[in-house]
Amino acid sequence: KQEVTQIPAALSVPEGENLVLNCSFTDSAIYNLQWFRQDPGKGLTSLLLIQSSQREQTSGRLNASLDKSSGRSTLYIAASQPGDSATYLCAVVMDTGRRALTFGSGTRLQVQP
Amino acid sequence: EAQVTQNPRYLITVTGKKLTVTCSQNMNHEYMSWYRQDPGLGLRQIYYSMNVEVTDKGDVPEGYKVSRKEKRNFPLILESPSPNQTSLYFCASSLGQGTSEQFFGPGTRLTVL
Repeated sequence: KQEVTQIPAALSVPEGENLVLNCSFTDSAIYNLQWFRQDPGKGLTSLLLIQSSQREQTSGRLNASLDKSSGRSTLYIAASQPGDSATYLCAVVMDTGRRALTFGSGTRLQVQP
Repeated sequence: EAQVTQNPRYLITVTGKKLTVTCSQNMNHEYMSWYRQDPGLGLRQIYYSMNVEVTDKGDVPEGYKVSRKEKRNFPLILESPSPNQTSLYFCASSLGQGTSEQFFGPGTRLTVL
């Protein structure tokens, strides 16, 4: 059974810092990996999708990498801002079956002004 | 605007009173699914639908029903809600059969007394 782990569980940084969020998964037979952001009590906003054949994706100040063989992904946030404060979730879809997202438990990020 | 909508956003009900949470997407997506989010348990898939008229169980289907009569709509039905179904519910959709980027609705916070 696929398990997704995110480290750290919580992170507090001063504004302007570059930071890295980590995601690991136990079964490398994934179809894709998706990073989401969730604000308190709100829905999930898709940030980046990486297909299993890709190594990284970029969107603005965000860069996500994928090392499928080692079961790892990182989300790099450049020049963090208070508006980046949220919980970041990574999720994988297996390459067979019902295409459910298997989520990690998230990293709660706080960016201090 | 491309989006997934859910109604109602908040609902307080009593045990045994049937309810329906609606989900609609305007992106012509084939794949739709329902998740629930609980503290300490994360997000888990309830039901999914690969395309119209085809639905199947996810990880936690007990106590729920769904239907997919039209491509854009995927309602979640609780025939006899119980307190353990108190949760935050999300509908999601994807262009491909779950293999593309998945988009989430804003969530429905359900309390069953």
